[in-house]
This record gives sequence, C-alpha cells and structure tokens, in this order.
Amino acid sequence: SQKIEQNSEALNIQEGKTATLTCNYTNYSPAYLQWYRQDPGRGPVFLLLIRENEKEKRKERLKVTFDTTLKQSLFHITASQPADSATYLCALEGYGGSQGNLIFGKGTKLSVKP
Amino acid sequence: DVKVTQSSRYLVKRTGEKVFLECVQDMDHENMFWYRQDPGLGLRLIYFSYDVKMKEKGDIPEGYSVSREKKERFSLILESASTNQTSMYLCATLRWLANTGELFFGEGSRLTVL
Repeated sequence: SQKIEQNSEALNIQEGKTATLTCNYTNYSPAYLQWYRQDPGRGPVFLLLIRENEKEKRKERLKVTFDTTLKQSLFHITASQPADSATYLCALEGYGGSQGNLIFGKGTKLSVKP
Repeated sequence: DVKVTQSSRYLVKRTGEKVFLECVQDMDHENMFWYRQDPGLGLRLIYFSYDVKMKEKGDIPEGYSVSREKKERFSLILESASTNQTSMYLCATLRWLANTGELFFGEGSRLTVL
C-alpha cells in the first residue's frame, strides 16, 4: 500500500537559517505532491503543489523540490522567522486519485527560535 | 475565499451517545472529506463524498457514517460514540485546478467522549 513518511517529527532552527523538511513515499507514483501548514488547534492550510514533471517550485520564501527517482520531496523555508513555527504536512494523491483523495504524512513540527 | 465551516469547535459527549458533526462549504465544490487527526497517527480519511447522496469509505470508516443530502453540507455521524473516537475531526472540500486538487479545511471539531 502507499506509504508516506516525513523523516523528522520535530525540527528546531535559529531565525534566519533555512529550514529543510523531507517527505519520502513508497509504492506509488503520484501525479503531484502537496505541502500544507498547520497551526495548533487549526485546520491545515494549503501552501504549494508540485507536479511529477516539475523539479522545483517557489513561492516567496518557500521552495519545494520533487525527485520522482528518489521518491522524495524537500520543502525549504529560507530566512526563517519565528512566525514560520508550525507543523508542516506533505500529502500525495491517494487511491482513487480521480476523486482527489490525499494521503498525508504525520507532519514535521518546525520551531524557529529568535 | 473558500469557507469551510464546522458547526462545533469543541464537543463533550458520553459513551453511547449519537453525535453529529456538521460541515458546510460555500464554494459549490463537489468533493468533500472527513478526516480525523490524532497525535502520532496524523490525518486519516474516514469518508468522502464526490456528489450529493454519494459516499465512499476512507481508511477508517468503522463506527462512522456520513450524510450528503445537499451539495454544500457533509455530515459525519457517530451512531454510538466510544472513548476511542475522542479526536480532532477535520472536514475538507476540494477545489480542482488543472487536474490537481487542493484541499480547504475547516477549523476542526475537537470531540471528547467520556
């Protein structure tokens, strides 16, 4: 069955540094992969989507890469700020992909210290 | 902006009670989803619906049912609540864009079953 793993449960970094979060998947070749941000007690919020034929996508201080050979996506936040502290979830298209089902990783909790 | 509204942010129920969690969206999206989120387990799909009166089981449908009588409303029903259903429940709707789907989540309903 499809499996998606986010390697770190938690990541602590200093303000101004680049945060890099990893998402690996197995037993699947998704057409796209997504990243969401979740703040405590709130629902996840969509950040970025990257398709299988795209190597990299950027949005302001965010950058996502997608390596279909390694079956891995990296999510980078450059010049990180304490306001970036949150849990970040990766998600990929699940079974019955035509219905938009997503399978989520368990998330990485990012803490950015001032 | 897409708005997904979950009727209750916090509920406390007793074992054996019937529980209704309501979700309403204002964007005329066809696909709607119910997830539950638990520490260490991440987001898990309970049920989804891709049309009025249509429903499909997700990964963990046992102990739950759903109702989609109108396009904008998707209800999750716990016929007889149990303590292991204490969780954060998240409703989501899907926006299709160029063969990809972006999920919009509600704020969540935190259910405690005593």
